[in-house]
Amino acid sequence: QQPVQSPQAVILREGEDAVINCSSSKALYSVHWYRQKHGEAPVFLMILLKGGEQKGHEKISASFNEKKQQSSLYLTASQLSYSGTYFCGTVPNAGGTSYGKLTFGQGTILTVHP
Amino acid sequence: DSGVTQTPKHLITATGQRVTLRCSPRSGDLSVYWYQQSLDQGLQFLIQYYNGEERAKGNILERFSAQQFPDLHSELNLSSLELGDSALYFCASSDRDRPNQPQHFGDGTRLSIL
Repeated sequence: QQPVQSPQAVILREGEDAVINCSSSKALYSVHWYRQKHGEAPVFLMILLKGGEQKGHEKISASFNEKKQQSSLYLTASQLSYSGTYFCGTVPNAGGTSYGKLTFGQGTILTVHP
Repeated sequence: DSGVTQTPKHLITATGQRVTLRCSPRSGDLSVYWYQQSLDQGLQFLIQYYNGEERAKGNILERFSAQQFPDLHSELNLSSLELGDSALYFCASSDRDRPNQPQHFGDGTRLSIL
């Protein structure tokens, strides 16, 4: 089942902060975050594992609440280069049989203006 | 540059035809994933291979098939093409087949069915 991302879209001015949420109805093993610019490939940002947190970039961090099966991506002091569509991809906690099969959310469009 | 190479970049063909998309993973990566991205369905997992063996399957149509060769490159074959198969097809690779590893995406093949 597809995770649900919120909000669907965010508009910011440079320097402002944003939070993007990703919720799943299934118990998760990991949550992956990607950013995709129009017409380009998704770019890996970071992975959150159950029982831990992994930071991939300095001004972009994330958390994973295992009780709620929800992950949040935090973008601080946004830059123009942050614009794009952010996707979370989830791997269910299925005893090791899920391998790397990612189910992606519908995406959150982030626009940063000067 | 993710190090994942996909060819061709664009493919235009007609309904009923058959096409082959090619993917070369990053050097050293053993796992290859195929995804389909369309406007109405978002980013959908199709299939995963690890070191030549099928590891996980998504909602891949019976008209679609894939394989990974001994040199680790992979091919996605799409046959009896329909208008609805028009989409961006991404290949991604990772070191192994575990769900705690980042997947690095190629630039994609844009398939247009006329």
